[in-house]
Amino acid sequence: DAKTTQPPSMDCAEGRAANLPCNHSTISGNEYVYWYRQIHSQGPQYIIHGLKNNETNEMASLIITEDRKSSTLILPHATLRDTAVYYCIVRPGDAGNMLTFGGGTRLMVKP
Amino acid sequence: DTGVSQDPRHKITKRGQNVTFRCDPISEHNRLYWYRQTLGQGPEFLTYFQNEAQLEKSRLLSDRFSAERPKGSFSTLEIQRTEQGDSAMYLCASSRRDRSPGELFFGEGSRLTVL
Repeated sequence: DAKTTQPPSMDCAEGRAANLPCNHSTISGNEYVYWYRQIHSQGPQYIIHGLKNNETNEMASLIITEDRKSSTLILPHATLRDTAVYYCIVRPGDAGNMLTFGGGTRLMVKP
Repeated sequence: DTGVSQDPRHKITKRGQNVTFRCDPISEHNRLYWYRQTLGQGPEFLTYFQNEAQLEKSRLLSDRFSAERPKGSFSTLEIQRTEQGDSAMYLCASSRRDRSPGELFFGEGSRLTVL
């Protein structure tokens, strides 16, 4: 599996956009990018995933660079409830059933 | 969806005792996963079921660990002769056959403390 690199922590002001970067420079052509988050004392929560096109859902937007070596998760209007650890994961689309979680980014949304 | 349910939420046991955790996935989710998470780390994959068949196991799943999903619905994870290193959060997740296999729904976890 390709490895990902994320900053260990970030701060964001409430109401502002939170932009969480992820580097996955060794990603293969058939590997998807997934984002999860884990709020304290809860299980991880799926946010979004993509292959090469940008994706948007009710929670967030995922921007993947054209060379697919990095991506950014965007929370358009961060709230205090978005304070969590955010995990960027790459996973083969056609094989394997495990997600390999790294250390993630601890996002602190501040009032 | 009523969510993935795990029981018990907390378990304190003495070293050498056996413990069992139960997971009830979201109904009609045919895939079920167990993960382990230690403090400050991301979750680590343990095992995967499709219906009642255990199709994948991590090397982390030593001989003292056994998981079952007898009727393709709920699952149990048993740890025999617990060790202090087994102290962790044990997370269960499920997913639907018609969705991306990476789109998992996790439970709240069962926290194990081995004294």
